[in-house]
This record gives sequence, C-alpha cells and structure tokens, in this order.
Amino acid sequence: AQSVTQPDIHITVSEGASLELRCNYSYGATPYLFWYVQSPGQGLQLLLKYFSGDTLVQGIKGFEAEFKRSQSSFNLRKPSVHWSDAAEYFCAVGPSGGYQKVTFGIGTKLQVIP
Amino acid sequence: DTGVSQDPRHKITKRGQNVTFRCDPISEHNRLYWYRQTLGQGPEFLTYFQNEAQLEKSRLLSDRFSAERPKGSFSTLEIQRTEQGDSAMYLCASPGGNSGNTIYFGEGSWLTVV
Repeated sequence: AQSVTQPDIHITVSEGASLELRCNYSYGATPYLFWYVQSPGQGLQLLLKYFSGDTLVQGIKGFEAEFKRSQSSFNLRKPSVHWSDAAEYFCAVGPSGGYQKVTFGIGTKLQVIP
Repeated sequence: DTGVSQDPRHKITKRGQNVTFRCDPISEHNRLYWYRQTLGQGPEFLTYFQNEAQLEKSRLLSDRFSAERPKGSFSTLEIQRTEQGDSAMYLCASPGGNSGNTIYFGEGSWLTVV
C-alpha cells in the first residue's frame, strides 16, 4: 500500500530564510509525487508534481522539489520564504500509468515570522 | 480557480439530519474523486467515479454515506443521520492538465454537525 510520511508537523522560519519541507513515501513502483498547499479554510492548490524525467522539478510561487529514489524522498524547497507562504503543505503519492487515487501525508504547517 | 466547483461551501447541521454536497468537476475528464479532511489531517480518499460508475469506495464511507454521479457530470455526496464525527471538509477533485494525471481540488464543503 502506498503511504506518505511528513515528519515535521510544524515548522517556523523567518521571512527571507530558506525552507525545506521533508517528505518520504512508500510505493512499490515508480510513483507520481505531488506537493499541494492549503490556506486556512481553503481547498488544495497544486504546487508541483513529478512524473518522470528530471528529478528536480519547478513549481509555482518559487518552489522546487527533488525526487530521490534511493531515499524515497520528495522534499520541497524554497530559497527565500515570503510571509504569504504561511500555510499547510501536503505531500502526496499516486500510482503511475493510470491514475487511480492519491494518498496524502498529514501535512506540515508553515509559520513565517517577520 | 481550478474549475472544480463545490456547493455549499459551509453547512451547519444538527445531529441526525441529512446533508447533501454537490460537485461540478472539470468537464472534459470523466473521473471524479471525493476526499474527506478532518482538522490536523491530510485529505483521505472516500470514493471515485469514472463517468457514472462508482469504481472504488473507502472503508471510511459507511452505509450512511452515498455518492452518485447520475449523468457522468456533476456528483453529489449525501450523509444521512449525521453524527458529530462527520464534521470535516469534504473535497471534490477532478483530473486536469494535458495528461489528466494530476488532480485538482475544489474549495471544499465544510460540514459542522452540532
């Protein structure tokens, strides 16, 4: 069964500092990987996705993520955080080659301090 | 705007009442998903349609829950005899993008059972 672990429930960073949110997945084959962001009371917005090819993927809002098969990881990064990035971030994994359903992690809540 | 619409956005109901949520997905894709998200958790898969056919249901979907997609377009999720434990955000999702391998979420329907 597929699963996602986000080990950091809550992270606080200063505005302008760099950010890395960790994600580890468990999946028996080559997965599709996603990062979504959710503001309070809102739905989920797709930040970026990895299907195949270049293991460093670029997303919206200046975010990027790197797929590392050997570590079963898909960490999200941003070089300089803005106050508007405060939100909850969800990593998700889904099967490749025929979309069925996506499994989400528990989420990491990001707080940005001035 | 992801193109996935949900209604109502918020619903407060008394325990024991029935509630119904509606989802209008991205029109050109035949798959539709329902997820549930409780406070402090990531979204959890509930059920999945391909056209009118409900192809998979989670164990989370008790017999008080019923989902339909009568014409393969919009979908409804009904909860009968609501319980306080049903309080959650109910998210609808639809594939999008060129390959349809990414799911896009609506803004969600918040249910509070009092």
